Amino acid sequence: KAGVTQTPRYLIKTRGQQVTLSCSPISGHRSVSWYQQTPGQGLQFLFEYFSETQRNKGNFPGRFSGRQFSNSRSEMNVSTLELGDSALYLCASSWGQVKIETQYFGPGTRLLVL
Amino acid sequence: DAKTTQPPSMDCAEGRAANLPCNHSTISGNEYVYWYRQIHSQGPQYIIHGLKNNETNEMASLIITEDRKSSTLILPHATLRDTAVYYCIVRVGAGILSGGYQKVTFGTGTKLQVIP
Repeated sequence: KAGVTQTPRYLIKTRGQQVTLSCSPISGHRSVSWYQQTPGQGLQFLFEYFSETQRNKGNFPGRFSGRQFSNSRSEMNVSTLELGDSALYLCASSWGQVKIETQYFGPGTRLLVL
Repeated sequence: DAKTTQPPSMDCAEGRAANLPCNHSTISGNEYVYWYRQIHSQGPQYIIHGLKNNETNEMASLIITEDRKSSTLILPHATLRDTAVYYCIVRVGAGILSGGYQKVTFGTGTKLQVIP
């Protein structure tokens, strides 16, 4: 079965621009979580979506937002980009409904803000 | 979610067992221990998880102490492809009944270098 896919894999933007990243979960998975990974901060949780609703949220400013569609695909948007937003953005999917869950990660989108 | 402590780096000879420790002294009764690894520039890969019993799968074994305050991930025969950063995570089990659990906290992990 196909894994988690993320597009695009690489992206270069300039400060002040906005960006939208896409994540397609494993078929049947309804939960999608987003993470930011930087060398200085490591892996940090952004938010989680389940059945088109944001179910949990990390400590990131409102410039970071997301949504989930009825087919469980998710998008993450960052507005007014800052240099510090340069990072590897990872999404992870899981069933979202059972007690013991394993998240499966995609390859990530590497964003560079100039 | 409870915090974990791992050594920043370890070396292991190819073909030998790699034993990666993790301390999670503040773990609570309903938190599971998960292990992931991340090979350079790729997404984290799930390895194994457990609650209180030792677990084994095709990738690794997980040994959890009786008091659950620490655990060890064992890669029985390390290969060069096992060179990666290994993350130990403790978190509550999932599902809609828990009201949203996916706020997983990753620590800094252990960088395992397998040496030929």
